[in-house]
Amino acid sequence: EVQLVESGGGLVQPGGSLRLSCAASGFTFNTYWLGWVRQAPGKGLEWVANIKQDGSETHYVDSVKGRFTISRDNDKNSLYLQMNSLRAEDTAVYYCARHLPSYKTFDYWGQGTLVTVSS
Amino acid sequence: DIQMTQSPSTLSPSVGDRVTITCRASQSISIWLSWYQQKPGKAPKLLIYKASSLESGVPERFSGSGSGTEFTLTISSLQPDDFATYYCQQYKSYPLTFGGGTKVEIK
Repeated sequence: EVQLVESGGGLVQPGGSLRLSCAASGFTFNTYWLGWVRQAPGKGLEWVANIKQDGSETHYVDSVKGRFTISRDNDKNSLYLQMNSLRAEDTAVYYCARHLPSYKTFDYWGQGTLVTVSS
Repeated sequence: DIQMTQSPSTLSPSVGDRVTITCRASQSISIWLSWYQQKPGKAPKLLIYKASSLESGVPERFSGSGSGTEFTLTISSLQPDDFATYYCQQYKSYPLTFGGGTKVEIK
């Protein structure tokens, strides 16, 4: 069974940093693109970033470029999102998700982890 | 960036009704569109990809159609478990973008 379990969310002050982790199991981790999608409270879905199987290619939404870094450790079956210079508008539930093979759509999602940026 | 516009934003059908949700792209995305269902407090669930391909395990009452800039998600006979919010997503180009959502609520 495919499982994606996020951790690392919490309350952080504006300007602070946080690192999210996503532990994957139930599939061959190093053969899938992976990504992060967020959802602000009461709002819709927003794609944040994704990363190729070997980590050699990454993409970001403009609003996080230069502040967030997506990475992966294929030996640990883990995905990460390093978030720096956090802003109030980054407050959201962050989902780790797996891309369908050959398509940049998401077939499996984690349960999400809440990041709150507030003083 | 490709903007995705869903309509309506809210629907209040009855069980057994045929439901249609529309998603329009600001430019052609061919068939590179997915539909998701999300229930409160839960992660989204993939229903349809490549505009009309049904994801494994999804009931056949769900179907998708369209290409280019206009797409529809149809639920042939609404069931109690279908009350949720539905999102479209384009994956023709980066940034990947979602529609604003359509909430299907109990009448």
